[in-house]
Amino acid sequence: GQQVMQIPQYQHVQEGEDFTTYCNSSTTLSNIQWYKQRPGGHPVFLIQLVKSGEVKKQKRLTFQFGEAKKNSSLHITATQTTDVGTYFCAAGGSQGNLIFGKGTKLSVKP
Amino acid sequence: DSGVTQTPKHLITATGQRVTLRCSPRSGDLSVYWYQQSLDQGLQFLIQYYNGEERAKGNILERFSAQQFPDLHSELNLSSLELGDSALYFCASSVSGASPLHFGNGTRLTVT
Repeated sequence: GQQVMQIPQYQHVQEGEDFTTYCNSSTTLSNIQWYKQRPGGHPVFLIQLVKSGEVKKQKRLTFQFGEAKKNSSLHITATQTTDVGTYFCAAGGSQGNLIFGKGTKLSVKP
Repeated sequence: DSGVTQTPKHLITATGQRVTLRCSPRSGDLSVYWYQQSLDQGLQFLIQYYNGEERAKGNILERFSAQQFPDLHSELNLSSLELGDSALYFCASSVSGASPLHFGNGTRLTVT
């Protein structure tokens, strides 16, 4: 079935360093969504990208959708301890459902 | 608060037993999704309902079943439970299939 591959699985950074997680698909995606799950919490929707080459920013977070609509990235500038959590990308499945990547777990050392 | 309510919060039961997890979607949302999350694992899609009808099916075991009722709440039934079924079960809702999901706080199931 359809899959979205997400790398890296884990990322440990020093506070203030940048962080990037990547999401890749073998098929063209109609859209991609990003979610954040804090430790002990539930996934929370961050953003949806729809257009080829789209770039969206939320404060220190920058989201990109590839030109071919097969990949996406989330970049955090100057990480803070509040950024700790697991970041998931999710893409629409063939049945209209949402398929999640395995996530990137970010830890930030103060 | 996402507006999605899941009960119970925690469930501890023995192997071979059957449990029912309940989800009330956000007001106005017609789609309900069920996901399973094992320790340090991703979100495994189980099943989706839209306005009472099954819309999509993922890697849901035959021992598991779900339904969405006319008032749009949903129940996930897990039977003949095994130790490996221990996980966090999330319900999520959305307006439609392509819309962002709003997750409940999850039900943590422990099978002993």
